[in-house]
Amino acid sequence: EADIYQTPRYLVIGTGKKITLECSQTMGHDKMYWYQQDPGMELHLIHYSYGVNSTEKGDLSSESTVSRIRTEHFPLTLESARPSHTSQYLCASRDSGFATNEKLFFGSGTQLSVL
Amino acid sequence: KQEVTQIPAALSVPEGENLVLNCSFTDSAIYNLQWFRQDPGKGLTSLLLIQSSQREQTSGRLNASLDKSSGRSTLYIAASQPGDSATYLCAVSPRPQAGTALIFGKGTTLSVSS
Repeated sequence: EADIYQTPRYLVIGTGKKITLECSQTMGHDKMYWYQQDPGMELHLIHYSYGVNSTEKGDLSSESTVSRIRTEHFPLTLESARPSHTSQYLCASRDSGFATNEKLFFGSGTQLSVL
Repeated sequence: KQEVTQIPAALSVPEGENLVLNCSFTDSAIYNLQWFRQDPGKGLTSLLLIQSSQREQTSGRLNASLDKSSGRSTLYIAASQPGDSATYLCAVSPRPQAGTALIFGKGTTLSVSS
């Protein structure tokens, strides 16, 4: 059973607001990821981290930022939300093993609506 | 650039049928391939992971095969049940480096009627 949690589950917010989507995992995984998913579309990587103080941007251009101060915590922040940010945001993590247990574990997601 | 394609996009079957979901990828230099299940409005659950050196993996009624040279994988679901209704996604790890982010297909949405 995966222990990765995202809050809030749903968020409706007005344009221009600053928001932070929380993601925490209790499995001690080094690698964490943020994906964005629109209905019927594939997941797109927006940020990833290979450990504390390590963050990188993914393939999809994003106006969000992330931080990794603690292994278990990987929050995503939007400084000024816009309607184009409306989407589902999925957080994931996995172990550092090379051959064993490369399975990716996902949180339940945050459905963000910006009005 | 690696691309992952899943066919069909949607599939409806009566309960009890055996079915096959297809996944293809353009670059055969993958590290592993995973099949996930996603229920509406939820996150993804990993079903099966196949390393590039393996040909198949089995878990209960699910069997996933991998033909890396041809860039194909299939997910076989035996004796389908209404509870199998969900979207199934295929994802590849594009380089032989641990931790590289996965590249996903758009998924196949399965509906099993009772």
